[in-house]
Amino acid sequence: LAKTTQPISMDSYEGQEVNITCSHNNIATNDYITWYQQFPSQGPRFIIQGYKTKVTNEVASLFIPADRKSSTLSLPRVSLSDTAVYYCLVGDRNQGGKLIFGQGTELSVKP
Amino acid sequence: NAGVTQTPKFQVLKTGQSMTLQCAQDMNHEYMSWYRQDPGMGLRLIHYSVGAGITDQGEVPNGYNVSRSTTEDFPLRLLSAAPSQTSVYFCASRTPSRGGRDEQFFGPGTRLTVL
Repeated sequence: LAKTTQPISMDSYEGQEVNITCSHNNIATNDYITWYQQFPSQGPRFIIQGYKTKVTNEVASLFIPADRKSSTLSLPRVSLSDTAVYYCLVGDRNQGGKLIFGQGTELSVKP
Repeated sequence: NAGVTQTPKFQVLKTGQSMTLQCAQDMNHEYMSWYRQDPGMGLRLIHYSVGAGITDQGEVPNGYNVSRSTTEDFPLRLLSAAPSQTSVYFCASRTPSRGGRDEQFFGPGTRLTVL
C-alpha cells in the first residue's frame, strides 16, 4: 500500500482558497487517490476521488500531476464549517478491503 | 437506509473485562473494517473483512477479535480490556467500485474508556 505524507496542520481565513498537498511517491498503477474529511466526534466522510489530471465536484477539486506522485485537494472559498481534518488515501479501489489512513491535515479556518 | 450503525455509543470498562462492540450495515457492502482513533491522532486499522467468513488483520490487531458470519454484521471483541485500548472506535463499510466511485461509509463511533 502506498504511503502518504501530508502537512500536519494548516491555517486559513474565511473566503480564501485552501490547497492541501499529499505526497505518495510509490503509488501503484491501479491506485486511486481519495480524500476524506473528518469533523470532531464524527467518522470521516468521502470528499473526492481521482486517478489523474483534475476532478471537480460540488465541494472540492482534486489536482493530480502526470507522474501521480502527489495530489492537491483544493477547497474554494472556505468557511468556518470547513475546519476539520483532511485525509489523503491511496489504494486500488477494485480489490482488497484494506484502507490505511495517514495522520491527516488539521485545517483551521479563522474569521 | 440506516447506513452503518454502531452500539453502544459510550462504554466504560474496568481493566480485564471483555466486551463486544456491535457494527451493522444495511447497504449490502462486501467490505467492512474497524478503526480506532486516539485523541489527536489519525485512524488506525484494527481488522477488516472482504466478505462473510473472511477476516484479516490490520495495523493494530492485538487484543481484538472479529468475526463475520453475515454480510451485515461485523462485531469487534475486546478480549481483556486494557487502559491502552481507551479510544474511539469506528466501523466502516464499502463495496468494490467495479469502475464507479469507491466510498467508505463510517458509523458514528463508540467512545470506550478503560479504567
